[in-house]
Amino acid sequence: GAGVSQSPSNKVTEKGKDVELRCDPISGHTALYWYRQSLGQGLEFLIYFQGNSAPDKSGLPSDRFSAERTGGSVSTLTIQRTQQEDSAVYLCASSLDNRGTEAFFGQGTRLTVV
Amino acid sequence: AQTVTQSQPEMSVQEAETVTLSCTYDTSENNYYLFWYKQPPSRQMILVIRQEAYKQQNATENRFSVNFQKAAKSFSLKISDSQLGDTAMYFCAFMSYSGGGADGLTFGKGTHLIIQP
Repeated sequence: GAGVSQSPSNKVTEKGKDVELRCDPISGHTALYWYRQSLGQGLEFLIYFQGNSAPDKSGLPSDRFSAERTGGSVSTLTIQRTQQEDSAVYLCASSLDNRGTEAFFGQGTRLTVV
Repeated sequence: AQTVTQSQPEMSVQEAETVTLSCTYDTSENNYYLFWYKQPPSRQMILVIRQEAYKQQNATENRFSVNFQKAAKSFSLKISDSQLGDTAMYFCAFMSYSGGGADGLTFGKGTHLIIQP
């Protein structure tokens, strides 16, 4: 597609369930980023992929969060045993490279944990 | 760690007026990138303007321009001839050059800009 695609757009899940969020970046973009946007914390950087590799996972909020990227393309962010504080909008962005070029964002996944 | 501060939570101006959104940041680095992103109610973040710290010339994009003061660590956004479609949240963001993207963008808390008809 022409832009960054995220699915699902909205997800309501019960506390304790696992969820998987998907990001399909712009074709040819080597850099991929995940962010979390919540009222209390604003926009937080979670993780960065260069190709399939994530050099630093320390931005992930807890060990319940994991992310992977395969084939230098699609990425998934998985949250295990969801908690109410995980409720937020999860944004994915991709850019051509990691040298400050424009990051194109998806429309995000709004996650609500009930 | 870098920090980005936007001191105006909300601003409201009349259509066609000029408005300036303020942003300050803190870093010990000499080379970096600064951005203004717009987020309308659709949630999708859209790049408004980008500045490379080693360039002294202020970036401009049509009605949007920045006042980049490196020594003061200030990066304000000026919107001229404001339009109803400019109503959105505006985020100032910083990216390290030396980090190679690994630290992602550091965002400010945002300014909610409302353009009144």
